Amino acid sequence: AQKITQTQPGMFVQEKEAVTLDCTYDTSDPSYGLFWYKQPSSGEMIFLIYQGSYDQQNATEGRYSLNFQKARKSANLVISASQLGDSAMYFCAMREGQRSGGYNKLIFGAGTRLAVHP
Amino acid sequence: GAGVSQSPRYKVAKRGQDVALRCDPISGHVSLFWYQQALGQGPEFLTYFQNEAQLDKSGLPSDRFFAERPEGSVSTLKIQRTQQEDSAVYLCASSGVAGQGLGSPLHFGNGTRLTVT
Repeated sequence: AQKITQTQPGMFVQEKEAVTLDCTYDTSDPSYGLFWYKQPSSGEMIFLIYQGSYDQQNATEGRYSLNFQKARKSANLVISASQLGDSAMYFCAMREGQRSGGYNKLIFGAGTRLAVHP
Repeated sequence: GAGVSQSPRYKVAKRGQDVALRCDPISGHVSLFWYQQALGQGPEFLTYFQNEAQLDKSGLPSDRFFAERPEGSVSTLKIQRTQQEDSAVYLCASSGVAGQGLGSPLHFGNGTRLTVT
């Protein structure tokens, strides 16, 4: 079964508008962390934001915020005031806690390609 | 350097050749991961090292894939008798925290793009 599902292969947004990238996850582990990474065409994976399963508030980092709905098992990324440089692939990832065997690999979704138009 | 360094950046191999991909993690980072990223897909876990110990190799697709980190710093991913389906970007990532810290992000290198012809 897919642990991380990103249902939007591609998204378009107008510059300066906000956009939401969807992510749902599947785990029975009560302790887990959720990450978003950006991958521009150059290939590097850039860490954007993190949300822990026990965090009471939604994470925010500058223009990035994470809409965490635990009961729905969703962790959508919201980018406000989109910029042309935001055009990239975006990956949602999860790290499980208690069952990780003492280490912490990330499990990634298939990604969403975001295109920001002027 | 300050980040994770991978070499070579690009590698073209003829089917059946052996290749070796190098990863130099961030200095002092205990955890090191290798991922395989096929075109248009998310990274898939291959293997994990904590210092020099390979604690998980469950993601290695076949016994043609071998990874080592003998001194707990630089790691090498070796693929023997390469096949066309091995064509992908191989990403290395490191993290300073071993066994704890759900919120500790992985720091990735730029990857090695392997093309098997």
